[in-house]
Amino acid sequence: GDSVTQMEGPVTLSEEAFLTINCTYTATGYPSLFWYVQYPGEGLQLLLKATKADDKGSNKGFEATYRKETTSFHLEKGSVQVSDSAVYFCALGASYDKVIFGPGTSLSVIP
Amino acid sequence: DVKVTQSSRYLVKRTGEKVFLECVQDMDHENMFWYRQDPGLGLRLIYFSYDVKMKEKGDIPEGYSVSREKKERFSLILESASTNQTSMYLCASSPSFGGEQYFGPGTRLTVT
Repeated sequence: GDSVTQMEGPVTLSEEAFLTINCTYTATGYPSLFWYVQYPGEGLQLLLKATKADDKGSNKGFEATYRKETTSFHLEKGSVQVSDSAVYFCALGASYDKVIFGPGTSLSVIP
Repeated sequence: DVKVTQSSRYLVKRTGEKVFLECVQDMDHENMFWYRQDPGLGLRLIYFSYDVKMKEKGDIPEGYSVSREKKERFSLILESASTNQTSMYLCASSPSFGGEQYFGPGTRLTVT
């Protein structure tokens, strides 16, 4: 079946550092890919999405590109802030099945 | 903006009690979901609904039931709460199956 794999956390970075959180997937069809963010004590929020190969999703300085050849959707940000400290979830969605979430990667940004 | 609200942020119940968790969405979405989130286990789907009065079991339905009498409202019911149901419960809605989901703030349930 379809699946999502994320890099293990926690990740700790200094403010203004470059962020990459790796996400790879397996799917039988042509899914949409998502990144969600969960701040402490809150529900998940959609951060960005891409619906087809080579699409780039972007929001709040975060970016991810749907790479069909490497089955990846890595999340990047050029300069993280303390306020980016949260848990990030990669997810896969296809019309033939429910959305599949990765395990989440905890990010802590220190001043 | 899509808004998904959950009836309580924090709830404390006793073992054996019947517990109702309510979720309401205001964007006329067809699909609604209930998840539980536990440390180290990620999000696990309990039940979902793709239409009024329709429901489907997710990955961990045991000990839970759901009700969807109106399109905007999806209720999760713990028939007889147990301590192993202590968890964060998240409701979500979606305009399309497999599409982006919009989450509520969550209900942290403690069963003592």
